[in-house]
Amino acid sequence: KNEVEQSPQNLTAQEGEFITINCSYSVGISALHWLQQHPGGGIVSLFMLSSGKKKHGRLIATINIQEKHSSLHITASHPRDSAVYICAAGGSNYKLTFGKGTLLTVNP
Amino acid sequence: DSGVTQTPKHLITATGQRVTLRCSPRSGDLSVYWYQQSLDQGLQFLIQYYNGEERAKGNILERFSAQQFPDLHSELNLSSLELGDSALYFCASSGGLAGGAHQETQYFGPGTRLLVL
Repeated sequence: KNEVEQSPQNLTAQEGEFITINCSYSVGISALHWLQQHPGGGIVSLFMLSSGKKKHGRLIATINIQEKHSSLHITASHPRDSAVYICAAGGSNYKLTFGKGTLLTVNP
Repeated sequence: DSGVTQTPKHLITATGQRVTLRCSPRSGDLSVYWYQQSLDQGLQFLIQYYNGEERAKGNILERFSAQQFPDLHSELNLSSLELGDSALYFCASSGGLAGGAHQETQYFGPGTRLLVL
């Protein structure tokens, strides 16, 4: 079993829909990272959080340390949000452990 | 543009060969990380350097080695290449002041796509 599990693996939505991607981890962490990878391959860091909630534009990330669970929400989704979203758990050993990613497709 | 540069963008080589991938971090960043992304394994952490010193090691094969130079650029050397080494190799950098990958936002380079034939 992977130490970081994401669901769903694939997600298709219509433009404007509210989207939730989930991440569960089994390791102790110092921070949880959310990354976005576009079809061209480039990776962008979206959030790093160790507690509570962070918001950037239409993106919201939450984390529940006790339940070892994080969610990434996208409000009013748009076709340009189509990408792979990856969560990564940062432990105390300086390393990141990655989930397999969620492929999001937003149709116009 | 993250400010992290990687060269080359694409590399095609044969089994048994040796290649060097280069990474220049964002200006001022002290930490450099190397990652491998393959279709079956996803993203995997290989190694981290902080200000010229190795700080953390992940799933890096013995055939692979890396170093960070005084000007903070880093090189990842892959030798005795096998078909299974075909992957995207990413470099990332972070400030390095907060203590490590787990506590800092990382800035990723565009990656080097390696194809071993």
